[in-house]
Amino acid sequence: ETGVTQTPRHLVMGMTNKKSLKCEQHLGHNAMYWYKQSAKKPLELMFVYSLEERVENNSVPSRFSPECPNSSHLFLHLHTLQPEDSALYLCASSQEGQNSPLHFGNGTRLTVT
Amino acid sequence: GDSVTQMEGPVTLSEEAFLTINCTYTATGYPSLFWYVQYPGEGLQLLLKATKADDKGSNKGFEATYRKETTSFHLEKGSVQVSDSAVYFCALSEGMIKAAGNKLTFGGGTRVLVKP
Repeated sequence: ETGVTQTPRHLVMGMTNKKSLKCEQHLGHNAMYWYKQSAKKPLELMFVYSLEERVENNSVPSRFSPECPNSSHLFLHLHTLQPEDSALYLCASSQEGQNSPLHFGNGTRLTVT
Repeated sequence: GDSVTQMEGPVTLSEEAFLTINCTYTATGYPSLFWYVQYPGEGLQLLLKATKADDKGSNKGFEATYRKETTSFHLEKGSVQVSDSAVYFCALSEGMIKAAGNKLTFGGGTRVLVKP
């Protein structure tokens, strides 16, 4: 496999559930990202991991918990979400550096009921 | 802080028409500029980039020139196809502290619909 793979593609969960989103990159990159894409809103950067260390946390509620066990894998653990958390969650990876483009996965479409 | 402003869509065109999507930015330093495209049901893909003033990025018939004097990075294509129907995002990246990732600031996206 090549590129950035996200699973599952679709997820429906109740507000009391606990679930996890998974992202895997096969590009040899050393930085990984979680973005939230909601309808009619700009992409929101949630978390950045560089060299497996979290370097950015954009005031994301604690009901979202990221984990980066190694440079190829990134998780987003979800618990007690709200309906307004329904969105497309995009994972991306890149090499370090200003000019390094991000490579995105196809996203997980999350619906919170 | 940094910001990117794009024209709002949707933009509806006929095949072989000329496409322009305006993008302007605000940044304190010397950002790199990007255009990403998102096809239905997919994530974002890099379309082109420019890293310094007067650079022109190009790919798949699309072009954009980094204009520092007007802080713009407008996307153009001379003859669009139905397959170009997608959402286009302009983005910038400031110089980063080492080992801090490459944090992009995105515009709101412009939906383009090309009709046969």
